[in-house]
Amino acid sequence: AQKVTQAQTEISVVEKEDVTLDCVYETRDTTYYLFWYKQPPSGELVFLIRRNSFDEQNEISGRYSWNFQKSTSSFNFTITASQVVDSAVYFCALAGWGGANSKLTFGKGITLSVRP
Amino acid sequence: GAVVSQHPSWVICKSGTSVKIECRSLDFQATTMFWYRQFPKQSLMLMATSNEGSKATYEQGVEKDKFLINHASLTLSTLTVTSAHPEDSSFYICSAIRTSGRVNEQYFGPGTRLTVT
Repeated sequence: AQKVTQAQTEISVVEKEDVTLDCVYETRDTTYYLFWYKQPPSGELVFLIRRNSFDEQNEISGRYSWNFQKSTSSFNFTITASQVVDSAVYFCALAGWGGANSKLTFGKGITLSVRP
Repeated sequence: GAVVSQHPSWVICKSGTSVKIECRSLDFQATTMFWYRQFPKQSLMLMATSNEGSKATYEQGVEKDKFLINHASLTLSTLTVTSAHPEDSSFYICSAIRTSGRVNEQYFGPGTRLTVT
């Protein structure tokens, strides 16, 4: 069985602060994908990143960065110099490899509030 | 990028009636689509896997006779909530898998907010 744990439920920061959202996963698969999605109040999921289990290289995209540590089964997400527009619910998710295995197991989500 | 649409975006219905939600992949064919449900302030939970030309696969605890899924074409899956009750009020999100070579990409629809009165 697959499981994604996002231990933080709500985080509140002041604009320009850095914030890290934690994600720990469990899977028996040797090949899998990890994702982060943003869900603003409108409800539509916004894809942020996909990482496959073979690639532990950290990634940076603008103010966003991701740290994948297979040894600790973690895939943490850092927002640098946060902005009010970053306020949303952030989901970490896990999927198997291909076809019907692509179904996602989501964490419970982290509500991020960025105050001006 | 690939686009997945859902219709309607929101719907209000009376208890006991049925509601159909459509999920379309607009610019690619999808043999596999997924239906998720999200209750307020909760996570997304997979309801079922919709397979083109065959029966859907339902997750444990999801009533297949209540949530009818039809995936009759490579671009359309429908979810029908039969005899809806207030506890079925939720945000329903579909996703479609686009396969390109050996890579599978999953694209989400914008969601349908169902309110049962």
